Amino acid sequence: DTGVSQDPRHKITKRGQNVTFRCDPISEHNRLYWYRQTLGQGPEFLTYFQNEAQLEKSRLLSDRFSAERPKGSFSTLEIQRTEQGDSAMYLCASSLGSGRYEQYFGPGTRLTVT
Amino acid sequence: QQQVKQSPQSLIVQKGGIPIINCAYENTAFDYFPWYQQFPGKGPALLIAIRPDVSEKKEGRFTISFNKSAKQFSLHIMDSQPGDSATYFCAARGGLNFNKFYFGSGTKLNVKP
Repeated sequence: DTGVSQDPRHKITKRGQNVTFRCDPISEHNRLYWYRQTLGQGPEFLTYFQNEAQLEKSRLLSDRFSAERPKGSFSTLEIQRTEQGDSAMYLCASSLGSGRYEQYFGPGTRLTVT
Repeated sequence: QQQVKQSPQSLIVQKGGIPIINCAYENTAFDYFPWYQQFPGKGPALLIAIRPDVSEKKEGRFTISFNKSAKQFSLHIMDSQPGDSATYFCAARGGLNFNKFYFGSGTKLNVKP
């Protein structure tokens, strides 16, 4: 068990480009969360999955954002037509579920939109 | 509106001191209250957590005090060390969306040698 991993760790892109981030949760964790964190703020909930089902999406998640978790394993977060306001740290976390609420975070993907 | 309010924004203590970070919430449906430690450039790391049926929990040098009637909880760090210098976040789970977590805005702690 190597913890939650995220790829890439850093991404610099030009405004208008599409980007995709990947998260690999702790094996056997059936819940997976995406958060966005800007400088000096706490993580803000974006969406979460129970296995492969996306059960909740924040209003922060505009139509340009989409997330998937095929087969209930890894997850991807795609941002289309990036804007400068999308620059942030994107964090993934996983938890076991079944009454176990402890969330374990990955190292994050730092997105910079120029 | 912010579901979990955290204070202070920053805190400076001497080595060996006991920094205290406070959080308050309004939603009585919250049922799990974790604290996270985050170093620059890293993801948050779970430190300790409490459920509302317990008033205090200790793990090593970290203690959570929970006051259900006041809807407040706090983190105490005993015998603080320079290596504890980090940003600390409180959070709460539940409400209408039981698996959704709400985070405080963070407290930047500096422990001076």
